[in-house]
Amino acid sequence: QQPVQSPQAVILREGEDAVINCSSSKALYSVHWYRQKHGEAPVFLMILLKGGEQKGHDKISASFNEKKQQSSLYLTASQLSYSGTYFCGTEFPGGYQKVTFGTGTKLQVIP
Amino acid sequence: DAGVIQSPRHEVTEMGQEVTLRCKPISGHNSLFWYRQTMMRGLELLIYFNNNVPIDDSGMPEDRFSAKMPNASFSTLKIQPSEPRDSAVYFCASRKTQDSYEQYFGPGTRLTVT
Repeated sequence: QQPVQSPQAVILREGEDAVINCSSSKALYSVHWYRQKHGEAPVFLMILLKGGEQKGHDKISASFNEKKQQSSLYLTASQLSYSGTYFCGTEFPGGYQKVTFGTGTKLQVIP
Repeated sequence: DAGVIQSPRHEVTEMGQEVTLRCKPISGHNSLFWYRQTMMRGLELLIYFNNNVPIDDSGMPEDRFSAKMPNASFSTLKIQPSEPRDSAVYFCASRKTQDSYEQYFGPGTRLTVT
């Protein structure tokens, strides 16, 4: 039931864009996105609930396609500070707060 | 706010020893989560509590692991006896369910079992 993330790793130059995908084999109630910098704890970015709403956080936005049971995280005009590992977490209907995290996408932004 | 507090930050122990990890959630948060993170398995939910009551412990690997939350400001995760495969970073996170979906993670405890 662990969501599948792709790609596993990506290297960007400053200013480039990236998309990270997260897919589930089960119907979803919500998708959570976190970023973890090396040696630190994960930090919440945003949550998307059923309804397909797209949300944004600075130049990072995300979408949620309920029918496809997928979410995508969009990073535009990447900055060095975006480097880290991005995790999606999925919550299923009736899951009562239980969030299952994917294996992560390691993003490195270079000058 | 002080954030989620975990202790110790690092623990090195020998196989067979008992290990106790501690967590103090953010004041006012009513849900608490214990996660384990390894390179191979990623971030795994072990157990979570709501209003001090364990709700789902299906992620606890085996009987060697136990967790308690005696009050709203303190939780422990115990491993007895410890094994080398328990080596990982253990995170505690808390959430205020009435206000937000966001989980606030503590700094983690890096456990090494030799």
